[in-house]
Amino acid sequence: KAGVTQTPRYLIKTRGQQVTLSCSPISGHRSVSWYQQTPGQGLQFLFEYFSETQRNKGNFPGRFSGRQFSNSRSEMNVSTLELGDSALYLCASRMDLGGETQYFGPGTRLLVL
Amino acid sequence: EDKVVQSPLSLVVHEGDTVTLNCSYEVTNFRSLLWYKQEKKAPTFLFMLTSSGIEKKSGRLSSILDKKELFSILNITATQTGDSAIYLCAVEASGTYKYIFGTGTRLKVLA
Repeated sequence: KAGVTQTPRYLIKTRGQQVTLSCSPISGHRSVSWYQQTPGQGLQFLFEYFSETQRNKGNFPGRFSGRQFSNSRSEMNVSTLELGDSALYLCASRMDLGGETQYFGPGTRLLVL
Repeated sequence: EDKVVQSPLSLVVHEGDTVTLNCSYEVTNFRSLLWYKQEKKAPTFLFMLTSSGIEKKSGRLSSILDKKELFSILNITATQTGDSAIYLCAVEASGTYKYIFGTGTRLKVLA
């Protein structure tokens, strides 16, 4: 079974631009979560989608948004990029909510100049 | 506020040593606890723990959960340089189903 895939793997943007990251979950998984990882802050939860609905949200500004499609693929968008948005963005999927193991994709490394 | 605390923050050992990593939590309506190993990129799943006192084992790694004292430990015996990584602990809360991660323990194993 294929794992979680994320595209692109690397991205360089400039301040003020916007970016869209994509995540394809493991086949059969209906939940997709997004995390931001930086050396100083560790793994920070952004949001989780289940059956096309946002189920949980972390403490990030409204510039961070996401959506999930009917095939469970998910996209994350960051508008008006800031230098501090430079990070590794990880996507994780699980079959269902509650008591299910979450599996991570390889991540997208975003650099904002 | 729900939180997960891991200790130590970092650890340097020599090959062959045994290490114990700690994860304590304060989470409303605990559901499960996960351990991950993160090397260069994506965290890889190690264990899921839901019941107290039952040890999970995989080769040289083992983990146990104490729901009364609200903590878990991850043991690695006969460490190898390939064990060098960040070890992450995450706790899921019932109701929200959200996973809360600790900041991780950075382990370095010297040859």
